[in-house]
Amino acid sequence: NAGVMQNPRHLVRRRGQEARLRCSPMKGHSHVYWYRQLPEEGLKFMVYLQKENIIDESGMPKERFSAEFPKEGPSILRIQQVVRGDSAAYFCASSPTGRSLHEQFFGPGTRLTVL
Amino acid sequence: QKEVEQDPGPLSVPEGAIVSLNCTYSNSAFQYFMWYRQYSRKGPELLMYTYSSGNKEDGRFTAQVDKSSKYISLFIRDSQPSDSATYLCAIRQTGGSEKLVFGKGMKLTVNP
Repeated sequence: NAGVMQNPRHLVRRRGQEARLRCSPMKGHSHVYWYRQLPEEGLKFMVYLQKENIIDESGMPKERFSAEFPKEGPSILRIQQVVRGDSAAYFCASSPTGRSLHEQFFGPGTRLTVL
Repeated sequence: QKEVEQDPGPLSVPEGAIVSLNCTYSNSAFQYFMWYRQYSRKGPELLMYTYSSGNKEDGRFTAQVDKSSKYISLFIRDSQPSDSATYLCAIRQTGGSEKLVFGKGMKLTVNP
């Protein structure tokens, strides 16, 4: 059973460009969470999604950031007009449907560098 | 006051030592407590989780929760060089969002 998949693993963008980060949850998981890890900081919650629904986006910056989890395909975290401060590791986690929702399994992360 | 406080270290110990990692939290609504291990440039992996006060043991690892003091601990017995990683506590409240609130993480090095 493949784990949580994220791609790309590394992404370099220039200021003002768009970044798209993809996350495929574990098989059978329909809950997806995105977290951001800034240098020397812990993981910070950004958004929680179920299929076709945003459940909690309290950690998302108000501008330039959006997330989706369509009926088919991976979850996408989109950052428009990136700035240097967006440079971080972005982790996706998924949890199963119907079982304990307390376990969140993390992907390997996407490391975004903004030049 | 931050919701979860964790000393970021770093901590360096000799092989075989007992390691104690700790976090404190401020919100009584937190009911679920996890410890994640993160190797360099990797994603966090769940080590242990518990939802009640007391101890939970798994091999060389013991998680301890004291809700009255809002204090959680992870003990590693007979530490090995392969335990060298960053350890993050994570907490979730009941009846609210599914989100986890993480401590900053403690970087541990076990020297052979």
